[in-house]
Amino acid sequence: DAGVIQSPRHEVTEMGQEVTLRCKPISGHDYLFWYRQTMMRGLELLIYFNNNVPIDDSGMPEDRFSAKMPNASFSTLKIQPSEPRDSAVYFCASTSTSGRAKETDTQYFGPGTRLTVL
Amino acid sequence: RKEVEQDPGPFNVPEGATVAFNCTYSNSASQSFFWYRQDCRKEPKLLMSVYSSGNEDGRFTAQLNRASQYISLLIRDSKLSDSATYLCVVSYTGTASKLTFGTGTRLQVTL
Repeated sequence: DAGVIQSPRHEVTEMGQEVTLRCKPISGHDYLFWYRQTMMRGLELLIYFNNNVPIDDSGMPEDRFSAKMPNASFSTLKIQPSEPRDSAVYFCASTSTSGRAKETDTQYFGPGTRLTVL
Repeated sequence: RKEVEQDPGPFNVPEGATVAFNCTYSNSASQSFFWYRQDCRKEPKLLMSVYSSGNEDGRFTAQLNRASQYISLLIRDSKLSDSATYLCVVSYTGTASKLTFGTGTRLQVTL
């Protein structure tokens, strides 16, 4: 299994630009999560989807952030316009609630996108 | 108050030492508990689940005290490769469908 795939791995952009982060979850997983990690605040849940439907977006910091999941194998997190305080590592994770016990205990994380906004 | 609280460390210990991390959680309705490990500049990965009766996996032992809302992780015979950040994680749903992560405790094992 290829695991959760994220792209790009690194993104450097200037304030005000649009940033789009991409995620491909593990095939067959029915939940997808977007997290942001910073030194100050740790790992924060931004939004999660179940069967492609957004369930809870209360962690999305502002209207500048939006996320979509058009199908079971693809999701995007968009920041428009980006600001320096958005600089962080953004992780995508997926899990299955219908698999073996070990699988339902685990969120599988992608390698993350390291975003720097200048 | 944070939902999951951990001492950020760092814990600096010599190889072979025993080290313990603690974690407290605020929601008494929490159902499942985990420890995740995150290496520097890598993604978090599940280390072990934490069961009410306590559980052991090799050199790692996890304990849960529901009355005190307290979770612990004990590492015996520390190895250099144990150096990482250990995240205490709580679920209200009983599965990994919604997890709350602590900010992590950093461990550095030295020669």
